[in-house]
Amino acid sequence: KAGVTQTPRYLIKTRGQQVTLSCSPISGHRSVSWYQQTPGQGLQFLFEYFSETQRNKGNFPGRFSGRQFSNSRSEMNVSTLELGDSALYLCASSLKGGSTWETQYFGPGTRLLVL
Amino acid sequence: AQSVTQLGSHVSVSEGALVLLRCNYSSSVPPYLFWYVQYPNQGLQLLLKYTSAATLVKGINGFEAEFKKSETSFHLTKPSAHMSDAAEYFCAVSDQSGGYQKVTFGTGTKLQVIP
Repeated sequence: KAGVTQTPRYLIKTRGQQVTLSCSPISGHRSVSWYQQTPGQGLQFLFEYFSETQRNKGNFPGRFSGRQFSNSRSEMNVSTLELGDSALYLCASSLKGGSTWETQYFGPGTRLLVL
Repeated sequence: AQSVTQLGSHVSVSEGALVLLRCNYSSSVPPYLFWYVQYPNQGLQLLLKYTSAATLVKGINGFEAEFKKSETSFHLTKPSAHMSDAAEYFCAVSDQSGGYQKVTFGTGTKLQVIP
């Protein structure tokens, strides 16, 4: 079974631009979570989607948004990019994301550099 | 909310020596705990997870972790370090937020293996 895939793997943007990242979960997985990873803040939860609905959201400004499609693929968008948005963005999928015992499987991440 | 604390942001061991990476959790209920490994420029890979079936959990690549309720710990060990073990390791706890799973990660421990 194919793993979680994320595209693109690397991105360079300038301040003020917007960016869209894509995540395809493992086949059959319906829950997709997004994380931001930076050296200073570590892994921080952005949001989680299930059946095209956002169920959980972390403490990030409204510039960070996401969506999920009917095939469970998910995208996240960051508008008006700031230098501090430079990070590795990780996507994780799980079956339903409703139970605490579920395992999240991670993609390779998208590394975003904002200049 | 549940949380995990990883003691030591950097750990160095000699090749062939014991690896011990520390993780303590705070939880008012039996937790579900995970250890993930992240190699450079990659996503997180599940090493093992604790689901209360057994206190000693064996994972991939020769790693294991022991759940100790009295010490609220879930330390990761490997009897003999290999050069390929050099990576960053994350402890995580799974919780419920708004009725759905939320995973909180520790700050990570970078393992250096010295030849």
